[in-house]
Amino acid sequence: KQEVTQIPAALSVPEGENLVLNCSFTDSAIYNLQWFRQDPGKGLTSLLLIQSSQREQTSGRLNASLDKSSGRSTLYIAASQPGDSATYLCAVRSGGSNYKLTFGKGTLLTVNP
Amino acid sequence: NAGVTQTPKFQVLKTGQSMTLQCAQDMNHEYMSWYRQDPGMGLRLIHYSVGAGITDQGEVPNGYNVSRSTTEDFPLRLLSAAPSQTSVYFCASRPLAGGRDTQYFGPGTRLTVL
Repeated sequence: KQEVTQIPAALSVPEGENLVLNCSFTDSAIYNLQWFRQDPGKGLTSLLLIQSSQREQTSGRLNASLDKSSGRSTLYIAASQPGDSATYLCAVRSGGSNYKLTFGKGTLLTVNP
Repeated sequence: NAGVTQTPKFQVLKTGQSMTLQCAQDMNHEYMSWYRQDPGMGLRLIHYSVGAGITDQGEVPNGYNVSRSTTEDFPLRLLSAAPSQTSVYFCASRPLAGGRDTQYFGPGTRLTVL
């Protein structure tokens, strides 16, 4: 059974700092990995999707990497801003369960002005 | 293009009542799914559908029914609400083929069962 773990559970940083969020998964037979952002009381917004054959994806100040063999992904946020404050969720689509995303519990990020 | 819409946004039920959570998408996505989000548990898959007339169970299906009569709509029915079903419910959709399958989520329905 696929399990996804996100560390840390919460992170507070000053504005302008570069930061890394971590995601690990137990079954390396994944189809893809997706990072989402969730604002309080809102739905999930997709940030980046990495196919199993890819090593990284970039969008603006966000960079996500994937090391499938070690079961790890990182989300790098450059020059953080107060507007980046949210919960960040990692989810994997496993090769053995083609229709299911397995989610981590998220990292609550607070960027202080 | 409204994306994925859900109604209602908030609902309070008494134990034993039934209700239907509505979900609709206008992106012609074959795949639709329902998740529930609980504190400390993350998001868990309830039911999913890969097209009209085809549904299947996720990891926490008990107490819920679904049907898919059209590509656009995927309602979730609570047959006899229980306090354990207090949660935030999210509907999601994505294309079935192609592989570059970003999931699109609705804004959620916050359900309280008393």
